[in-house]
Amino acid sequence: QSALTQPASVSGSPGQSITLSCTGTSSDVGGYNFVSWYQQHPGKAPKLMIYDVSTRPSGVSNRFSGSKSGNTASLTISGLQPEDEADYYCSSYTTSSTVVFGGGTKLTVL
Amino acid sequence: QLQLQESGPGLVKSSETLSLTCTVSGGSISSSSYYWGWIRQPPGKGLEWIGSIYYSGATYYNPSLKSRVTISVDTSKNQFSLKLSSVTAADTAIYYCARLYTFASYDYWGQGTVVTVSS
Repeated sequence: QSALTQPASVSGSPGQSITLSCTGTSSDVGGYNFVSWYQQHPGKAPKLMIYDVSTRPSGVSNRFSGSKSGNTASLTISGLQPEDEADYYCSSYTTSSTVVFGGGTKLTVL
Repeated sequence: QLQLQESGPGLVKSSETLSLTCTVSGGSISSSSYYWGWIRQPPGKGLEWIGSIYYSGATYYNPSLKSRVTISVDTSKNQFSLKLSSVTAADTAIYYCARLYTFASYDYWGQGTVVTVSS
């Protein structure tokens, strides 16, 4: 299975909104509403931010939102804050009943 | 509060078998309808899914690792384990265990354990 495609880096200023993309195929992202997003700070374990395309787990800020169109899923962070600076990974369920991750996007808050 | 903790050797010799255990506390591994999984992260790189297991023993593996991976569960100890055979330097990574909440979302993670493969 091939990794989902994410931009290597994205940057934004405090208060801005940014959108991270995650592109797969009809065998994963496009085929199921089972896309998740994770935030990972250096030296820490990943934290689940969005699951099932657009659902936020309890305790996750409503500044984080998810969506999907075709084979591409998106994570939008509004009102960007310095603590949002981290690596972000998407994942998807696949037709083979497996899970595939994206390569990750490094978000820099300028 | 559910907690997961990885344990096992931090150094494994090339061509040997990597063995890790994940101990679950704060909940029973067999009392709920969750899968449990292993994910790894090579130094400076992204996350790679290794596989998942249900308390009944049903497993799913990453096709690229399937020939070398075995995930098992011990409900009496509330643990699940990972074995990766014939390791090479490419298997050097932080290994995480986690609970699969829905089909592709892991909601509880261990802190991760560093495994280095030496020649």
